Amino acid sequence: DTEVTQTPKHLVMGMTNKKSLKCEQHMGHRAMYWYKQKAKKPPELMFVYSYEKLSINESVPSRFSPECPNSSLLNLHLHALQPEDSALYLCASSQRPAGGQGDTQYFGPGTRLTVL
Amino acid sequence: GESVGLHLPTLSVQEGDNSIINCAYSNSASDYFIWYKQESGKGPQFIIDIRSNMDKRQGQRVTVLLNKTVKHLSLQIAATQPGDSAVYFCADFQYNFNKFYFGSGTKLNVKP
Repeated sequence: DTEVTQTPKHLVMGMTNKKSLKCEQHMGHRAMYWYKQKAKKPPELMFVYSYEKLSINESVPSRFSPECPNSSLLNLHLHALQPEDSALYLCASSQRPAGGQGDTQYFGPGTRLTVL
Repeated sequence: GESVGLHLPTLSVQEGDNSIINCAYSNSASDYFIWYKQESGKGPQFIIDIRSNMDKRQGQRVTVLLNKTVKHLSLQIAATQPGDSAVYFCADFQYNFNKFYFGSGTKLNVKP
């Protein structure tokens, strides 16, 4: 089983709203990731958590706030977003912590976010 | 920085033919490579991977070839089917940056 689940599937929010994206995996993976993907572009790394600690922040604006409550869950809290933040937000996980020689990342289906 | 690129943005093949999708990378520190398939409205799906100590790896109907001399990666799909229509991304793990870099993607269209 290599399933990563994400909720909600779609989200529409105004620029003053606060919302959260959720990601879950039950594969015992020790690293989890947030990516952002614009239309017809490859995924871009945002954050990496290893052993529930933030290990990489790709200079993401503070209006995106990640959280890893436990080894199975990853959240992305959104506040005061801009229309240009509209994109597909993908969560991924890998068995071994980030680093070393790299490990296969398994992606969830994504949350399609629209900021009005 | 980003090092992975694809030679062709769109590839059209006839059903039953073999498909070859190419990828070039520039960082000699890349030592792990993955091919992902992304269908419309879905997340990237792992297809096959290869480490830099290998030059070929085969899966079910797919083969990945790695040429470290010219920094080139390819994905071969045998007997391409309509269900293979998707965007294919190569990704390389650069251990000095501790993350994957994705290529720009190739859209594969399979004609019936």
